[in-house]
Amino acid sequence: AQRVTQPEKLLSVFKGAPVELKCNYSYSGSPELFWYVQYSRQRLQLLLRHISRESIKGFTADLNKGETSFHLKKPFAQEEDSAMYYCALGALTGKLIFGQGTTLQVKP
Amino acid sequence: EAGVAQSPRYKIIEKRQSVAFWCNPISGHATLYWYQQILGQGPKLLIQFQNNGVVDDSQLPKDRFSAERLKGVDSTLKIQPAKLEDSAVYLCASSLPQYFGPGTRLTVL
Repeated sequence: AQRVTQPEKLLSVFKGAPVELKCNYSYSGSPELFWYVQYSRQRLQLLLRHISRESIKGFTADLNKGETSFHLKKPFAQEEDSAMYYCALGALTGKLIFGQGTTLQVKP
Repeated sequence: EAGVAQSPRYKIIEKRQSVAFWCNPISGHATLYWYQQILGQGPKLLIQFQNNGVVDDSQLPKDRFSAERLKGVDSTLKIQPAKLEDSAVYLCASSLPQYFGPGTRLTVL
C-alpha cells in the first residue's frame, strides 16, 4: 500500500534551533517524494522535491531508501518558517499521496 | 503566469443540499486534480483528469460526487446531496507538482 506518515502533528522550536520534520513512506516502486508548505492564509506550495537535491529557504531533505524516510531539515529555524508542512509521495499517474502534516511553530 | 483559480472561496450549506465548485487551471495544463482536505488531515485525491478524460476516480464517492471537465479546460465538482462529513477544503491542482489553487472551504450544517 502507498502511504506517507508524518508522526508529529506539532513541532515547536525556538528561533535559531535546528529543525527536523519527519516523514516515512511506504511504496513498492521507485518513489518520488516532495515537501509542501502552507503558510497562514496562503495556498499549498511546493517547497522541494527529492530529485532536485537543492536547498530551498535553507531547507534540505534527503531520500533514505533503506529507512524509507524523507525527513526535512533546517539548521537554524526562523520565525517566518512557521507553517504547515506536508510530505507527499508521487504515484506513477502523477497524483500525490499526502501525509497528515506537521505544524511547525518557531518561537522568538 | 496566472495561477490556478477556484470559486467560490467559501460556501456554507445545509445537509442534503447541493453545491458546485469551479476550477480554472493554468492555461495549457492538460492534467487537473481535485483533492479533498478534511480538517487535520492531508489532501486526498478525489479525481484526476487528463484533458477531458478521467484517469483516476477510485476515491470519488460516486453516489453523491460528480465531476466533469468539458473541453479539457475548466472543471466543476458537484456534491448532491451533501453530508456533514463533506465539510472540508476542496483543492484543485493542475499539472502537479507545483500548482495548487487556493481551495474552496465547504461547511455543511
